Amino acid sequence: SQTIHQWPATLVQPVGSPLSLECTVEGTSNPNLYWYRQAAGRGLQLLFYSVGIGQISSEVPQNLSASRPQDRQFILSSKKLLLSDSGFYLCAWSVPGTRWNSPLHFGNGTRLTVT
Amino acid sequence: GNSVTQMEGPVTLSEEAFLTINCTYTATGYPSLFWYVQYPGEGLQLLLKATKADDKGSNKGFEATYRKETTSFHLEKGSVQVSDSAVYFCALKGSSGDKLTFGTGTRLAVRP
Repeated sequence: SQTIHQWPATLVQPVGSPLSLECTVEGTSNPNLYWYRQAAGRGLQLLFYSVGIGQISSEVPQNLSASRPQDRQFILSSKKLLLSDSGFYLCAWSVPGTRWNSPLHFGNGTRLTVT
Repeated sequence: GNSVTQMEGPVTLSEEAFLTINCTYTATGYPSLFWYVQYPGEGLQLLLKATKADDKGSNKGFEATYRKETTSFHLEKGSVQVSDSAVYFCALKGSSGDKLTFGTGTRLAVRP
């Protein structure tokens, strides 16, 4: 069966520091991968998605970036964090291709607090 | 573009009460519709889905029917439990199939 791992679970970082959140998926090949952010009291905002190695689509311009160095690895990064980057970051995967009826499967999330 | 509108929360109910959480959507074509649940401190779990008009998704006593004529996908449960306390998200995936659009979420609190 497929599993998704995200780490760390919680992170406290000062403003201006770099960020690296990692997500890996096991048990499937060439999944679609996603990064969402959930700000306090708000819904989920799609940040990036990827349909293959090196293919990244950005939904919202900001100081975050994403990379997919391996088939089942998705990394969210920032060179300099802002206070507004605080939130709950969720990685997700879905089956390959653009199947409209396939759900996303989420990791347990990373709670980031920028101080 | 695609969008999902959910009823504002929080919703507070007593145990064994009937639950309805409203969800309406805007999309071109024939989207797939989903409900996700988020328990405190956790990620999202798929609760149920429906992929075409008049389909009913169901799981763990929850149900939702895909109503194309009213562009709705309301979540219902006949008798809620304290363990159902969570945030519920309605979502859709459009015909392009590449990403999920979420509503803002509805927090449910069930009192014993």
